[in-house]
Amino acid sequence: DAGITQSPRHKVTETGTPVTLRCHQTENHRYMYWYRQDPGHGLRLIHYSYGVKDTDKGEVSDGYSVSRSKTEDFLLTLESATSSQTSVYFCAISAWGREQPQHFGDGTRLSIL
Amino acid sequence: AQKITQTQPGMFVQEKEAVTLDCTYDTSDPSYGLFWYKQPSSGEMIFLIYQGSYDQQNATEGRYSLNFQKARKSANLVISASQLGDSAMYFCAMRAGETSGSRLTFGEGTQLTVNP
Repeated sequence: DAGITQSPRHKVTETGTPVTLRCHQTENHRYMYWYRQDPGHGLRLIHYSYGVKDTDKGEVSDGYSVSRSKTEDFLLTLESATSSQTSVYFCAISAWGREQPQHFGDGTRLSIL
Repeated sequence: AQKITQTQPGMFVQEKEAVTLDCTYDTSDPSYGLFWYKQPSSGEMIFLIYQGSYDQQNATEGRYSLNFQKARKSANLVISASQLGDSAMYFCAMRAGETSGSRLTFGEGTQLTVNP
């Protein structure tokens, strides 16, 4: 299994509070991704990174920011959480190469009350 | 823009029979890759199989094979000899363009139930 650790695995918080999710990899892969999964929407890309300090927006980036100061860590921050951001969040990593699959962490279940 | 369509929200199959899960895609890029993932009820995403747009043969991985019809823009997953453990959500995804680290676009998934 790809070495990907997401933390925390579960979190309950209140509207308006900041939340940071962490993704840590031990594979030294260049590419890292954050997705959210909601019923009826499959997985939607929030942000991704193609190197240290190199990030770009995905299709649902509003309300989220990311940072990558080290190859192994990719942080997702909800600056002021809203109930619409209640979701399951997945981190993924990928090696270089068009045929390379993305490998996923186990997910973080985030509930915002 | 890329789009993946999975038209079967749910599928049922008897144990030991084969099942085909449909996936159609839309892209204007001549270079792309198609991926299938399995998500059991425990929630993890498991990579199953890959097909490149220039591959001459259909991809196979154990009991999984891909029925790739480029002209029809379809990449259906075939699971042979279904097992109870195959019950899961299955997602089709596409990576388009020459950028090797480019994003995946996912379909909405098909929930497969294998009956004993």
